[in-house]
Amino acid sequence: NAGVTQTPKFQVLKTGQSMTLQCAQDMNHEYMSWYRQDPGMGLRLIHYSVGAGITDQGEVPNGYNVSRSTTEDFPLRLLSAAPSQTSVYFCASSYSDPLRLRGEQYFGPGTRLTVT
Amino acid sequence: GIQVEQSPPDLILQEGANSTLRCNFSDSVNNLQWFHQNPWGQLINLFYIPSGTKQNGRLSATTVATERYSLLYISSSQTTDSGVYFCAANTGNQFYFGTGTSLTVIP
Repeated sequence: NAGVTQTPKFQVLKTGQSMTLQCAQDMNHEYMSWYRQDPGMGLRLIHYSVGAGITDQGEVPNGYNVSRSTTEDFPLRLLSAAPSQTSVYFCASSYSDPLRLRGEQYFGPGTRLTVT
Repeated sequence: GIQVEQSPPDLILQEGANSTLRCNFSDSVNNLQWFHQNPWGQLINLFYIPSGTKQNGRLSATTVATERYSLLYISSSQTTDSGVYFCAANTGNQFYFGTGTSLTVIP
């Protein structure tokens, strides 16, 4: 049971380049989400998914796309990287129950992205 | 979304001291979690505590949902407790994080 895994651990991009951050979980969690963490701040929600085929926007979705074709995977795409997207990105997953209450979240190790 | 405020923002303790960290939230929430971010950046689950009190070793947490706050108690602090402590509150499908309490425990 690997939990939540993220790749890569580090990435440097030039402005305008695109890339995909990978996230996978092996706990059969319905709910998955992406956050960014900037210095001195808490985590802010980018996008989330309540199940395969269903995604929605969080607090800071601009510049990012997501898709959820399987329960296990939830990739985050940067279409045209900007210096403002320099941050640490965390993926998380949890169960969701029929009452729509979200269970305990489990986080991946993070991806440190620098855009020059 | 809801506002989540944590206090104090910074805390320095002598090893062995006790401390209380506070998390206030602006509206009713479905659940509340506490995390520790260690110096390597890893987020570690401490408590999933929508209400009531839980204890795990030297750590305990209490959430009073009707008064919209949660407390994290650290007793007999150790240098390995250093890092940033975050609370996160959930409403609907979204989690909202506070800006954290940065704890430094000195030997």
